[in-house]
Amino acid sequence: QQQVKQSPQSLIVQKGGISIINCAYENTAFDYFPWYQQFPGKGPALLIAIRPDVSEKKEGRFTISFNKSAKQFSLHIMDSQPGDSATYFCAASSGSNYKLTFGKGTLLTVNP
Amino acid sequence: DGGITQSPKYLFRKEGQNVTLSCEQNLNHDAMYWYRQDPGQGLRLIYYSQIVNDFQKGDIAEGYSVSREKKESFPLTVTSAQKNPTAFYLCASSIPPQQGSGQFFGPGTRLTVL
Repeated sequence: QQQVKQSPQSLIVQKGGISIINCAYENTAFDYFPWYQQFPGKGPALLIAIRPDVSEKKEGRFTISFNKSAKQFSLHIMDSQPGDSATYFCAASSGSNYKLTFGKGTLLTVNP
Repeated sequence: DGGITQSPKYLFRKEGQNVTLSCEQNLNHDAMYWYRQDPGQGLRLIYYSQIVNDFQKGDIAEGYSVSREKKESFPLTVTSAQKNPTAFYLCASSIPPQQGSGQFFGPGTRLTVL
């Protein structure tokens, strides 16, 4: 029940295209859903996060869509650029729980 | 310049040796965390500490130990009991989760057992 399932495992997109990464969860107590971006050899960086009181959050080219009834959330990267090539992790946590449950990551490659 | 520092960046260990990884933060965060990252496995929680002088086991604590004597510091010791310690180790910190925001990560330490 603590799992977060992330797909696809890898994704190749052409420059200017839309990258879409999906995550699904089972624990209905989850109420915080961040996305992290990680470049090779670096620590993950918090990219954008959402709480279930909204269905969408946009920051620049990055958008989180959240579907509470389906227990799914996704990251959309508009106008994808080669510099976006990285591994993306979704995560979830609940209330005052300090533990974040991470998906296994998606390796995004944006071809020029 | 606020952030999280981890040292060393690369660490080599002989089998049977204990090694200690350093993590320091100047973000004034109460909570700190240690994760292990293996290829294709995502991030797995080793230990976390909500406050000074207190810490809890995560999902894969066996073979590891921690201390939290200062708010700024959360060192991780990889003991000889850890069967497969070669991995990328990440330290993170956060404010209490009910106050919002997420966890912020350091640059990582890559440990290799020779």
